[in-house]
Amino acid sequence: KAGVTQTPRYLIKTRGQQVTLSCSPISGHRSVSWYQQTPGQGLQFLFEYFSETQRNKGNFPGRFSGRQFSNSRSEMNVSTLELGDSALYLCASSLGHSGANVLTFGAGSRLTVL
Amino acid sequence: GQSLEQPSEVTAVEGAIVQINCTYQTSGFYGLSWYQQHDGGAPTFLSYNALDGLEETGRFSSFLSRSDSYGYLLLQELQMKDSASYFCAVRDRVTGGGNKLTFGTGTQLKVEL
Repeated sequence: KAGVTQTPRYLIKTRGQQVTLSCSPISGHRSVSWYQQTPGQGLQFLFEYFSETQRNKGNFPGRFSGRQFSNSRSEMNVSTLELGDSALYLCASSLGHSGANVLTFGAGSRLTVL
Repeated sequence: GQSLEQPSEVTAVEGAIVQINCTYQTSGFYGLSWYQQHDGGAPTFLSYNALDGLEETGRFSSFLSRSDSYGYLLLQELQMKDSASYFCAVRDRVTGGGNKLTFGTGTQLKVEL
């Protein structure tokens, strides 16, 4: 069973550019959530999608956005990149919203903003 | 909002037992989870406590006390491969469910020979 796949794994952008990250969840998982991980702020929730609908949103500016497609694949976009956006962006998939809510994380997309 | 505090670093020797604490301030949550993350790797699920008490999964056990706003992860028979960062996390009840997890500050565990 394939795990959570994130692309690209590494990318370098400059300030002001935009970036799109992709996440393919485990087959059958309908919930996809995104987290930002930095040394200073740790793991922070960005947003969650379930059945193509955004269910929850974290405390990030509007430059951070996402969407989910009918096949449960998800993308997140960051516009007008800032130096502080340099981070590991992790995608996690889950079957649904009950019980232990075990999240299965992808390996992440490491974004460096110069 | 939610706030979960963990010790930043813990060091122990191979074969020993180590406890990683998680103290929290929260307005309500469904349960306490623990995740392990090796350097350069993805966080992986270890354990979950929906109710107060101890949950055991092999060498790992997790404990939750809602009255004390406290939980811990216990690792027994430490192995070198257990060197990693460990995060506690709660699923926010206030938001009505979903998979919004608030993670703790993380504890880096170093296992020495």
